[in-house]
Amino acid sequence: QVQLQESGPRLVKPSETLSLTCNVSGGSIDIFHWSWIRLGAGKGLEWIGNIHSGGRYTYNPSLNRRVTMSVDTSKNQVSLILHSVIGADTAVYYCARDEGGGGWLYWGQGILVTVSS
Amino acid sequence: QMTQSPSSLSASVGDRVTITCRASQDIGDDLGWYQQKPGKAPRRLIYKASSLQSGVPSRFSGTGFGSEFTLTISSLQTEDFASYYCVQHRFYRTFGQGTRVEV
Repeated sequence: QVQLQESGPRLVKPSETLSLTCNVSGGSIDIFHWSWIRLGAGKGLEWIGNIHSGGRYTYNPSLNRRVTMSVDTSKNQVSLILHSVIGADTAVYYCARDEGGGGWLYWGQGILVTVSS
Repeated sequence: QMTQSPSSLSASVGDRVTITCRASQDIGDDLGWYQQKPGKAPRRLIYKASSLQSGVPSRFSGTGFGSEFTLTISSLQTEDFASYYCVQHRFYRTFGQGTRVEV
């Protein structure tokens, strides 16, 4: 059974950098795409972007300038960096295995990140 | 862009519930429906517009192709009170605004 677990700092100051890691167990990250998705307070779900195990990525155009994703196949991990955060970036961040037109079956439990000074 | 309606609805156990999503352009059948409960990750209910995810009760069904899509819950159960989202996978990935199903 594939399991995903997000980790990282839960409090980030405005203008600083949010950095999260998704550890994948129960299966290899090879051949799949991996998405980051967030749920903001009082908001709906927002797709941040995805990255293939080979390194090819696609970001949401609304966040493109601030997002960087990477993969570490040796550690079976996917990472998200969001630069220059603001209060509106406060959200629960999820990683999920992206099956293209099939969507996401496997999700992490999510991690709440608060942007505040 | 995905336009989902209604944003919320009140219903009772046993009711038939319908949620609609409209895409701003043709997305074929690259649409999914997700259920989310507070503090939990989203759960895939429907993929490819009408395929029921294994383990999801048959009271959930999805229809549509192109730009108009519908999620139907044929007989609402207590555990179905949650938020529901459509998402298109054809051009990047875009979620609808969500529908909160309340008592």
